[in-house]
Amino acid sequence: AQKVTQAQTEISVVEKEDVTLDCVYETRDTTYYLFWYKQPPSGELVFLIRRNSFDEQNEISGRYSWNFQKSTSSFNFTITASQVVDSAVYFCALSEAFLGSARQLTFGSGTQLTVLP
Amino acid sequence: GAGVSQTPSNKVTEKGKYVELRCDPISGHTALYWYRQSLGQGPEFLIYFQGTGAADDSGLPNDRFFAVRPEGSVSTLKIQRTERGDSAVYLCASSLRGRDTEAFFGQGTRLTVV
Repeated sequence: AQKVTQAQTEISVVEKEDVTLDCVYETRDTTYYLFWYKQPPSGELVFLIRRNSFDEQNEISGRYSWNFQKSTSSFNFTITASQVVDSAVYFCALSEAFLGSARQLTFGSGTQLTVLP
Repeated sequence: GAGVSQTPSNKVTEKGKYVELRCDPISGHTALYWYRQSLGQGPEFLIYFQGTGAADDSGLPNDRFFAVRPEGSVSTLKIQRTERGDSAVYLCASSLRGRDTEAFFGQGTRLTVV
């Protein structure tokens, strides 16, 4: 069975601080996808990134960066120089690669990030 | 439309009633998914359509839940004899093909059973 654990329920930081959101996953599959989604107060899940299990190269996109470590089954997300608009719930998710991107998405319980001005 | 559209945005119903939740996917997306999100939790998978057929309905909690997608576009999630425990946000998502393509989510329907 697949499982995603986001141990941090809530995090508060002051604007411009860096913040890392942790994600640990469990799966028996050898190929899989990992995702991060952002859910602002409006409720819509906004796709941030998808990572294939064979690609352990870290990725940076603007102020966002992701650290995928297969050896520790972790896929952590860092926001650099946080802004108030980054305040949202962030979800890490896992899916079987063969069956498609969201057919069997297993989500973590989310981390509520609050960025204070 | 430009994104996934779900209607209504909010629905309050009495216990025991029947409800229908509608999802309009992004035009051209063949794959459609329903998820349910309870307060403080991540979304939980309900059902996946590829075209008109339900490719995987293993997440439906019981036979009170049913979903259709008769023309391969709009989908309706139907809940019979609603219970208070059905209260949640029901999210719909679509993706271009279902394989190796990102899913885009709607804003959800907040269902409250009183």
